Amino acid sequence: GQNIDQPTEMTATEGAIVQINCTYQTSGFNGLFWYQQHAGEAPTFLSYNVLDGLEEKGRFSSFLSRSKGYSYLLLKELQMKDSASYLCAVRDEENSGNTPLVFGKGTRLSVIA
Amino acid sequence: GAVVSQHPSRVICKSGTSVKIECRSLDFQATTMFWYRQFPKQSLMLMATSNEGSKATYEQGVEKDKFLINHASLTLSTLTVTSAHPEDSSFYICSARGTSSTIYEQYFGPGTRLTVT
Repeated sequence: GQNIDQPTEMTATEGAIVQINCTYQTSGFNGLFWYQQHAGEAPTFLSYNVLDGLEEKGRFSSFLSRSKGYSYLLLKELQMKDSASYLCAVRDEENSGNTPLVFGKGTRLSVIA
Repeated sequence: GAVVSQHPSRVICKSGTSVKIECRSLDFQATTMFWYRQFPKQSLMLMATSNEGSKATYEQGVEKDKFLINHASLTLSTLTVTSAHPEDSSFYICSARGTSSTIYEQYFGPGTRLTVT
């Protein structure tokens, strides 16, 4: 089976740092993705990890530990526009263009002044 | 970057009628398209995967006779919700991968909000 867990809601202050965790149990593993989704809009790609370690991209960083089935998304210097849902997704098969992403339930982040 | 469009963006229909949603890849050829459904405050649930010229593969629990998917060309896939009921009201999102996509390139359309009255 496939199971992807992340907190339902988080609140953080403008200018602060927030870490959104994701744990997964899947039959296989071929990459973990983070997407941002504003209400009523489609998800937009944030990051991709397939090897252990930290990937940094501007204010956003994503970390992966395959042995622990764990990832986090780190958002620095929070801005009000960062208020959105953050979706953790896993591709669980290798070498297949047909393999879809399996999404967690998403974490709704509220940034307050 | 690659662009995926969906039409219509919003649709309201009466119970028992059918609704067709189009998903187009505007500047690339989409060999594979995925259809997701999202209920309020829920995550994206995969409904089906379609490859151009082939029958769609449906996820467990998704009725293939109710949700008709056609991927007749490399730039167009359609989802038809037949005999719609209020419980089909949801946000439907398509996603596409191209022939030259790298592993992380899965592009999402803007979604279609379906309301069945």
